[in-house]
Amino acid sequence: DIKMTQSPSTLSASVGDRVSITCRASQSISSWLAWYQQKPGKAPKLLIYKASSLESGVPSRFSGSGSGTEFTLTISSLQPDDFATYYCQQYNSHSFIFGPGTKVDIK
Amino acid sequence: EVQLLESGGGLVQPGGSLRLSCAASGFTFNNYAMNWVRQAPGKGLEWVSGISGTGGSIYYADSAKGRFTISRDNSKKMLYLQMNSLGAEDTAVYYCAKDSVDTMVRGVTDYWGQGTLVIVSS
Repeated sequence: DIKMTQSPSTLSASVGDRVSITCRASQSISSWLAWYQQKPGKAPKLLIYKASSLESGVPSRFSGSGSGTEFTLTISSLQPDDFATYYCQQYNSHSFIFGPGTKVDIK
Repeated sequence: EVQLLESGGGLVQPGGSLRLSCAASGFTFNNYAMNWVRQAPGKGLEWVSGISGTGGSIYYADSAKGRFTISRDNSKKMLYLQMNSLGAEDTAVYYCAKDSVDTMVRGVTDYWGQGTLVIVSS
């Protein structure tokens, strides 16, 4: 099975910061990677699909990049609404494994 | 407006069974694959199962194979998850989630329900 890892596990940042989260797959998944945002007590929200395609309605400060085994989610200027946990998910194979998550909290 | 409403969660004893339901509205249900994703308390997300728009293609996580059965009734716009032989490790919030693209199960989900909590405990 494909294994997904994320780094860091926790990220402390301030409003206005540029932040990046890395997701790595144990084998190539081409560009079949999605990013989700989840806030406490809420369902996840799709942000990015196919590694770099922005889901409709998602602010343009979110961007995704990468292919193969290494991917990055970048928030260009962190806003108060962005403090949350972020998950990557591979969909190259029908195991649809999620990464362990990265919590972005207030510095 | 797309809405997904899960029901059927609750407290069940180890070894017991439970059937979760998800009522869908606001989109052409049979045009989209559907998924169940769960989240144990304080833990990350785990995809559980997916079913194509016609119901003809079904996939399970290893943790669900042989114990869980996903199904759908397109005439009622309903998604189901039959869970048998439940153990403490199945305690989680179970989310119903719509696949984002089409009838094939791709696992990328653009709409989620609010979740239903399943607690497996004696």
